[in-house]
Amino acid sequence: QLVLTQSPSASASLGASVKLTCTLSSGHSSYAIAWHQQQPDKGPRYLMRVNSDGSHSKGDGIPDRFSGSSSGAERYLTISSLQSEDETDYYCQAWATGIRVFGGGTKLTVL
Amino acid sequence: EVQLLESGGGLVQPGGSLRLSCAASGFTFSTYAMSWVRQAPGKGLEWVSTISGGGDGTYYPDSMKGRFTISRDNSKNTLFLQMNSLRADDTAVYFCAKDESTGSYFDSWGQGTLVTVSS
Repeated sequence: QLVLTQSPSASASLGASVKLTCTLSSGHSSYAIAWHQQQPDKGPRYLMRVNSDGSHSKGDGIPDRFSGSSSGAERYLTISSLQSEDETDYYCQAWATGIRVFGGGTKLTVL
Repeated sequence: EVQLLESGGGLVQPGGSLRLSCAASGFTFSTYAMSWVRQAPGKGLEWVSTISGGGDGTYYPDSMKGRFTISRDNSKNTLFLQMNSLRADDTAVYFCAKDESTGSYFDSWGQGTLVTVSS
């Protein structure tokens, strides 16, 4: 069964970097995932796709501060030069034929 | 620019029905799979359903099968979600989302419409 696991919360200081993790379930380590950002009371926003080889492709207008990478079954979203507006929720998403799956989301706090 | 505008949400009694719509613009609607995703108050995102570009393929998680029906009208660039036998735990914001061209991740989202199931 395809399952994505995210830590419920993360924090980092203003101007620093943070790496959010999304872990694929056993047997699914070759899967790509997508990262989405959701500001309060708004629809999500697609950030990027991250492939198993660590390559990533970002959505239109996504700043260079956002990048993706991979290691084994883990997919990462790294945000550098953290800004106050980065303090919000981040979700990873995976897919298979006829299936879409979300991780539980990570709430990022910028200190 | 891709635009997705949901409508049709509101207050409905338990056991009632509701039909959501999503008006799409800015892309060739019929060539993309479309999906519904919901978010209960204070909770995470939950996939509800996906329909292929031509409308001949529909997909649901097991938890949604039987009560929800996704459909589309490609002549009107509109996506629908028919929800029947609604329960309190169906209370959520329902988002319309456009699938990426290979039918994988969601690359555009609407702002959502709130469905409240309560007596």
